[in-house]
Amino acid sequence: NAGVTQTPKFQVLKTGQSMTLQCAQDMNHEYMSWYRQDPGMGLRLIHYSVGAGITDQGEVPNGYNVSRSTTEDFPLRLLSAAPSQTSVYFCASSPGTSGYEQYFGPGTRLTVT
Amino acid sequence: AQSVTQLGSHVSVSEGALVLLRCNYSSSVPPYLFWYVQYPNQGLQLLLKYTTGATLVKGINGFEAEFKKSETSFHLTKPSAHMSDAAEYFCAVSDNTDKLIFGTGTRLQVFP
Repeated sequence: NAGVTQTPKFQVLKTGQSMTLQCAQDMNHEYMSWYRQDPGMGLRLIHYSVGAGITDQGEVPNGYNVSRSTTEDFPLRLLSAAPSQTSVYFCASSPGTSGYEQYFGPGTRLTVT
Repeated sequence: AQSVTQLGSHVSVSEGALVLLRCNYSSSVPPYLFWYVQYPNQGLQLLLKYTTGATLVKGINGFEAEFKKSETSFHLTKPSAHMSDAAEYFCAVSDNTDKLIFGTGTRLQVFP
């Protein structure tokens, strides 16, 4: 099993550009989520999904869109990048919600200039 | 609403010394509690978790944590630090919602 994979590993965008961060898992997990990690702020939940076709907002959803058309994939779209979105982004998956371990991808380091 | 507070953004210990990383939580229902570790330039991996049952939980790499409901705490300990323990540690809580809420993290430095 590859586990949770994320692409790209690094990305530089200009303000106003859009892009999609890819996330895939091969563990048949129902639950997937996106976090951003900023110094001194820990990980903050952006969006999550409890199954294909179902998504919901986390703590910091503004400026981001998600969709979940398959169990395996959970892409995160930045609609119009802003410098405040410079961060490290982590995707995670788990077999269920409360009480289950989340498995993290290696992260995408995004810089918006 | 659930929340997590990690006391001390940086902790430094000597190799062989006790490691104590503090975590307090807030939850309106019995919580599920987690400790994750992040090594440089990597994702997070689970150290240990508490769901129900025994309040002293043992994890990987010699770490353990004790759930104390009366103190709303879930502190992480290791009797003897090793150089390879240097990393960032995150406490997290979830209740009956679908969300896992993380603390701000504690960076552990281990000196020879």
